[in-house]
Amino acid sequence: DVKVTQSSRYLVKRTGEKVFLECVQDMDHENMFWYRQDPGLGLRLIYFSYDVKMKEKGDIPEGYSVSREKKERFSLILESASTNQTSMYLCASSLPRPGGGGGYTFGSGTRLTVV
Amino acid sequence: ILNVEQSPQSLHVQEGDSTNFTCSFPSSNFYALHWYRWETAKSPEALFVMTLNGDEKKKGRISATLNTKEGYSYLYIKGSQPEDSATYLCAFYSGNTPLVFGKGTRLSVIA
Repeated sequence: DVKVTQSSRYLVKRTGEKVFLECVQDMDHENMFWYRQDPGLGLRLIYFSYDVKMKEKGDIPEGYSVSREKKERFSLILESASTNQTSMYLCASSLPRPGGGGGYTFGSGTRLTVV
Repeated sequence: ILNVEQSPQSLHVQEGDSTNFTCSFPSSNFYALHWYRWETAKSPEALFVMTLNGDEKKKGRISATLNTKEGYSYLYIKGSQPEDSATYLCAFYSGNTPLVFGKGTRLSVIA
């Protein structure tokens, strides 16, 4: 069963900590994405990557960075966690053109609380 | 930023009722329209990927239609069941940027 795996389901971190959210996919997908989901705001794109060592800013990249050293792994980094980064974080992957194929495959999400 | 609107924001229906909700998206630079179902404590899963104007897709009791010229898609659920309770997301794809998601419609089916 193909999947996208996020390393933690729930995470509690302190303000100012550096936080790593890991995402691994086993489908050999080129594209990987990080979204956050907040009540009333829907899914908002943080960063995405279309290839190894490639990264692009999404709509809300401030306070985040990413790393893609291997095709299957896309890490989201909160350089100095703040309470406004408390959210549900979703990782997704896709083939290069998801319009004609099966769309995005999502991980099960990481609910991060920053205290 | 592209605007994808979904309505209603939430919906409560009785078991057995049929229901539908709407996704509005830009009518220009259209490549595909996606529908996802997101159940609580699970990952969003793809329901449909629609690319052609007038397209209709069906999966069991769920179906969707697409009008790319006027920029809307409808999702229909026939004979709603409690297991249909979920948030339904639509997403617009222009072909050269990541999917842009609507805020979703949260459906609750009451037994």
